[in-house]
Amino acid sequence: DGGITQSPKYLFRKEGQNVTLSCEQNLNHDAMYWYRQDPGQGLRLIYYSQIVNDFQKGDIAEGYSVSREKKESFPLTVTSAQKNPTAFYLCASSNRPQGAGGANVLTFGAGSRLTVL
Amino acid sequence: SQQGEEDPQALSIQEGENATMNCSYKTSINNLQWYRQNSGRGLVHLILIRSNEREKHSGRLRVTLDTSKKSSSLLITASRAADTASYFCACKAAGNKLTFGGGTRVLVKP
Repeated sequence: DGGITQSPKYLFRKEGQNVTLSCEQNLNHDAMYWYRQDPGQGLRLIYYSQIVNDFQKGDIAEGYSVSREKKESFPLTVTSAQKNPTAFYLCASSNRPQGAGGANVLTFGAGSRLTVL
Repeated sequence: SQQGEEDPQALSIQEGENATMNCSYKTSINNLQWYRQNSGRGLVHLILIRSNEREKHSGRLRVTLDTSKKSSSLLITASRAADTASYFCACKAAGNKLTFGGGTRVLVKP
């Protein structure tokens, strides 16, 4: 079955540590995205990538970094510079890059919950 | 900044009743989408309505769009306990990113 796999599902981090969240898709989608969701809130865009080896900052990129070396993979690193990293992180992909004139429907992974100890 | 704002923030209904939630937005959009999120899970796409459409149906879902009022509504008819979830609208403006609202939490009581 095609889909998006996020790992780990739960992650605990000590203050000052960097952690990396994995996101892999086998949908052959060009575009991939990382969103952050705080309790009872909507989704805020962290980073997105429309093509391999290219990515753009979203609305809340500070304290995060990404890479897009392969079409299937878009890992997110939460760095020690992110002062309030405890949140639910969602990865998504789409078959058309955002900014195109047509529809842009996202397929989401199951999410990774990060807790800072 | 969030483009879509859902109303109400929470909704509790009995099984079999209809559930209606609304989404308002600020700037012109290319399309508007609705997603569902079960607790602790990812979002699932439900339905998309384009700016030149006024109403769409998908099973027990009915979505309307009023571009003059910059608002959309999602109606779930004959609700079931399995419809318990959070529902988000997401707005796409031409050339811009998909922007999500804060969501409506729906509880369907058996």
